Amino acid sequence: DGGITQSPKYLFRKEGQNVTLSCEQNLNHDAMYWYRQDPGQGLRLIYYSQIVNDFQKGDIAEGYSVSREKKESFPLTVTSAQKNPTAFYLCASSMGRGSPFTDTQYFGPGTRLTVL
Amino acid sequence: DAKTTQPPSMDCAEGRAANLPCNHSTISGNEYVYWYRQIHSQGPQYIIHGLKNNETNEMASLIITEDRKSSTLILPHATLRDTAVYYCIVRPFNTGKLIFGQGTTLQVKP
Repeated sequence: DGGITQSPKYLFRKEGQNVTLSCEQNLNHDAMYWYRQDPGQGLRLIYYSQIVNDFQKGDIAEGYSVSREKKESFPLTVTSAQKNPTAFYLCASSMGRGSPFTDTQYFGPGTRLTVL
Repeated sequence: DAKTTQPPSMDCAEGRAANLPCNHSTISGNEYVYWYRQIHSQGPQYIIHGLKNNETNEMASLIITEDRKSSTLILPHATLRDTAVYYCIVRPFNTGKLIFGQGTTLQVKP
């Protein structure tokens, strides 16, 4: 089955702890993305990576970190510096090749993080 | 970045066509219009995208006006499983970023 997997579906952490969210894809896509969604809101871009060992900040990167050591994996760490970490986190991937105008992103099922 | 305007909510009877409008009056000539939908607590699902011409796939049709300032997503025979938030997005030409607005909540009723 090809697709994007995110684990776990629900995650609880105590305030002040770092937590890492997993995102794996077996679509052979070059580009991967992390978004955050708050209740009743649209998605906002945190980080994205167009190629292995390279990534760029999105609109709300403060308090987050990422790595892209493998093509199929793009883990997101929510650090204690993130002031409001409770949210729904979504990972996406796209082919990343060819025209950026038409590079369709496909999303995983999401991880709902609650910081207590 | 070109912004989009969508009605916050719409209802549709099951089996009827659902027509979801979107205004994007500041769209640039090389920006695509994308549609995604999100069923509660799931990741967004890609539906369709287009530049100038009308597009159709197995899920929906996309009608873009000649001046490209607005578009309509058509679900030809809505089912209860089409109940979701539908996002109309204009893709900035120089990044891979998708800018999600508030979307339209479509409620399909029996």
